[in-house]
Amino acid sequence: GENVEQHPSTLSVQEGDSAVIKCTYSDSASNYFPWYKQELGKRPQLIIDIRSNVGEKKDQRIAVTLNKTAKHFSLHITETQPEDSAVYFCAASGGSYIPTFGRGTSLIVHP
Amino acid sequence: DAGVTQSPTHLIKTRGQQVTLRCSPKSGHDTVSWYQQALGQGPQFIFQYYEEEERQRGNFPDRFSGHQFPNYSSELNVNALLLGDSALYLCASSLGGTSTDTQYFGPGTRLTVL
Repeated sequence: GENVEQHPSTLSVQEGDSAVIKCTYSDSASNYFPWYKQELGKRPQLIIDIRSNVGEKKDQRIAVTLNKTAKHFSLHITETQPEDSAVYFCAASGGSYIPTFGRGTSLIVHP
Repeated sequence: DAGVTQSPTHLIKTRGQQVTLRCSPKSGHDTVSWYQQALGQGPQFIFQYYEEEERQRGNFPDRFSGHQFPNYSSELNVNALLLGDSALYLCASSLGGTSTDTQYFGPGTRLTVL
């Protein structure tokens, strides 16, 4: 089945800095890669997703890049704010059909 | 436009008991997926229901079963509860019945097994 590795597990940045979270996947047939933000005690919320026919996608301060050859994709957050503090999960699906999530990255943005 | 809802919010059970969790999908969605999220972990896929049938299943024992109703709502049943079943159970709804459809999560049911 699919295996998704996510790094780092914890990321601490100063307000205004950029943050980058990276994920790798194993199933070359995977073709859908969403990112979720989960605040403490709340539901995971979709923040951005990318499909394999696209290499990069942006939405305001958030961007995702996909390298299908290397089988990795990354989340980029620019001009971080304290309210960006949360756990971020990447996921991959399409190949084995079962959506597979990474273990999460705890992002801490210091004011 | 109602989002995904789940009930109950919290549940405490003892080992060996059975539990039923419920999910109503987002308006217009026809597919419900269930996930188990242990503390400090990412969601793990249990199964997905589409057209009242289980479409795909993750690596979970038969103690975990489900159902989808004609109105697209769904139930997750867990029999013979173990301490290790304690987790946040999330349902996610989508449209189209495939794993590459955009999924929206409900608030979850926190299950504690004593």
